[in-house]
Amino acid sequence: DQQVKQNSPSLSVQEGRISILNCDYTNSMFDYFLWYKKYPAEGPTFLISISSIKDKNEDGRFTVFLNKSAKHLSLHIVPSQPGDSAVYFCAARRTDSWGKLQFGAGTQVVVTP
Amino acid sequence: EPEVTQTPSHQVTQMGQEVILRCVPISNHLYFYWYRQILGQKVEFLVSFYNNEISEKSEIFDDQFSVERPDGSNFTLKIRSTKLEDSAMYFCASSERGTQGKELFFGSGTQLSVL
Repeated sequence: DQQVKQNSPSLSVQEGRISILNCDYTNSMFDYFLWYKKYPAEGPTFLISISSIKDKNEDGRFTVFLNKSAKHLSLHIVPSQPGDSAVYFCAARRTDSWGKLQFGAGTQVVVTP
Repeated sequence: EPEVTQTPSHQVTQMGQEVILRCVPISNHLYFYWYRQILGQKVEFLVSFYNNEISEKSEIFDDQFSVERPDGSNFTLKIRSTKLEDSAMYFCASSERGTQGKELFFGSGTQLSVL
């Protein structure tokens, strides 16, 4: 199942700089997109989301951008902090399937001092 | 802060045995879910549950799987006859409403190892 793709398995960024995580999807029925963060031995934690009727949503240091025509979304973290080191998952949901999230494979972010 | 609690954190079982994974969702939540992540693979949806019945299930959730809310606080996933390929991290989640995924709260997971 490749409906949600995160093509970068890892990302290393310096503290204070911007982290940009990318996600592509193929299913045009997706209407809601989410980013989750996961630390080892913990479950995914919700970060930020965006509806398909918007192209940007911002929450503090986190901004998600959606380009529907390209079926692409990105998560910007600025400034990056050491505590941001985690695996980040992109997920998508269809209107008619509210509980079923399709996850990407994840991107391991490492923030270095 | 309220959280979803899962027990046990690790479960080792022999192939063919039954296992029950337990979850205590957040108390005022009404929607419950099971997801799993096989090592090296994506987190994948298994089942959603509302009002004491399954709302949706994936193709993975075959007759070997069942879910139950035996009382007002627990939510369980039963695998009747485990297979090697059932080895995975199983995540329980809950939400107040079923409308938006941002309201899914996940537990820390149960690592199931089938030998």
